[in-house]
Amino acid sequence: DTAVSQTPKYLVTQMGNDKSIKCEQNLGHDTMYWYKQDSKKFLKIMFSYNNKELIINETVPNRFSPKSPDKAHLNLHINSLELGDSAVYFCASSTRGVFYEQYFGPGTRLTVT
Amino acid sequence: SQQGEEDPQALSIQEGENATMNCSYKTSINNLQWYRQNSGRGLVHLILIRSNEREKHSGRLRVTLDTSKKSSSLLITASRAADTASYFCATAADTGRRALTFGSGTRLQVQP
Repeated sequence: DTAVSQTPKYLVTQMGNDKSIKCEQNLGHDTMYWYKQDSKKFLKIMFSYNNKELIINETVPNRFSPKSPDKAHLNLHINSLELGDSAVYFCASSTRGVFYEQYFGPGTRLTVT
Repeated sequence: SQQGEEDPQALSIQEGENATMNCSYKTSINNLQWYRQNSGRGLVHLILIRSNEREKHSGRLRVTLDTSKKSSSLLITASRAADTASYFCATAADTGRRALTFGSGTRLQVQP
């Protein structure tokens, strides 16, 4: 069984469009994250939710809006997509935050043309 | 500059050789973690070492932590072609910041 799953795996869209990426974890974890990995492989935290509550909101344009309908799901909605949004987006989950390991999804490669 | 700088950026070795990667960080930490990322895949957790630990082993992996120098190293012994991947260190600060900070990664190529 997949522990952390993301859909879609690939997303190609035009500038100005709105898109969503979905994430689900079946590990029973209470904390979920969204990371962005740029072309140089640098991985940066975007958001973190603990029990459906937003606990980290890094310097991310407000075109990005996370939504956590329940503990097992954390979705990412992006409005008015820009070329610079092209990256790989990873969802992750953990128990007890940063004090234990994180489990990553397979990633969503977003290409904005 | 970013927390968690890794050295070297790229490493190419022959199968059977040992691979050593280093990570430096800037702030006080609660723990430091190492992850592996195969091409086109998500990150996989390898090992976690807490600030009060100096060395940890897991199979062919050996991690050391020197909090006085704010550095860590990951040693992979008897490398295999399947170890080819990018390796990242990530730190959990002891400031209460509830996010990991990842390094820039080391790309390891193991030649068969």
